[in-house]
Amino acid sequence: DGGITQSPKYLFRKEGQNVTLSCEQNLNHDAMYWYRQDPGQGLRLIYYSQIVNDFQKGDIAEGYSVSREKKESFPLTVTSAQKNPTAFYLCASSTDRRQPQHFGDGTRLSIL
Amino acid sequence: GESVGLHLPTLSVQEGDNSIINCAYSNSASDYFIWYKQESGKGPQFIIDIRSNMDKRQGQRVTVLLNKTVKHLSLQIAATQPGDSAVYFCAENDYKLSFGAGTTVTVRA
Repeated sequence: DGGITQSPKYLFRKEGQNVTLSCEQNLNHDAMYWYRQDPGQGLRLIYYSQIVNDFQKGDIAEGYSVSREKKESFPLTVTSAQKNPTAFYLCASSTDRRQPQHFGDGTRLSIL
Repeated sequence: GESVGLHLPTLSVQEGDNSIINCAYSNSASDYFIWYKQESGKGPQFIIDIRSNMDKRQGQRVTVLLNKTVKHLSLQIAATQPGDSAVYFCAENDYKLSFGAGTTVTVRA
């Protein structure tokens, strides 16, 4: 089945530590996105990539970094500079920016 | 600034009744909207979309209405079922999705 796989489902970060969230898609989509969701709120865009080897900052990119070396993969690193990282992180992909985005089932990040 | 928002944070519906979820947007240039359903602990799931050259679109048990004059769209769910209990988001789609906080729909048996 085609889809988006996020791993791990739950992740814990220690103070001062960087952690990387994985996102893989086998939908052959060019565009990929990372969102953050806080309790009772909508999604906010962290980074997006419209094509391999290119990515752009979203609304809340500070404290995060990404790479897009392969079409199917778009990992997100939450750095120690992100002072409030506890949230539900969602990855999405689409054929292009004007088509519906398809989401993975998220990674819940917590601070130890 | 641009925003997409929902009118009510919660909606309680009797099983078998129709549900109507409302959404307002502020950018008059917006031309593409999507409704998503999110169940607890999962990612949003695409329900239906509509472009600004239409004012109504129907899917399986769902209908989306777009009123560009008042910048309002709604999602109607026919014969609501327990499996429809979830958070519903409307989103404006350009290079990113702009979401409101969502409406939590609870279906009463």
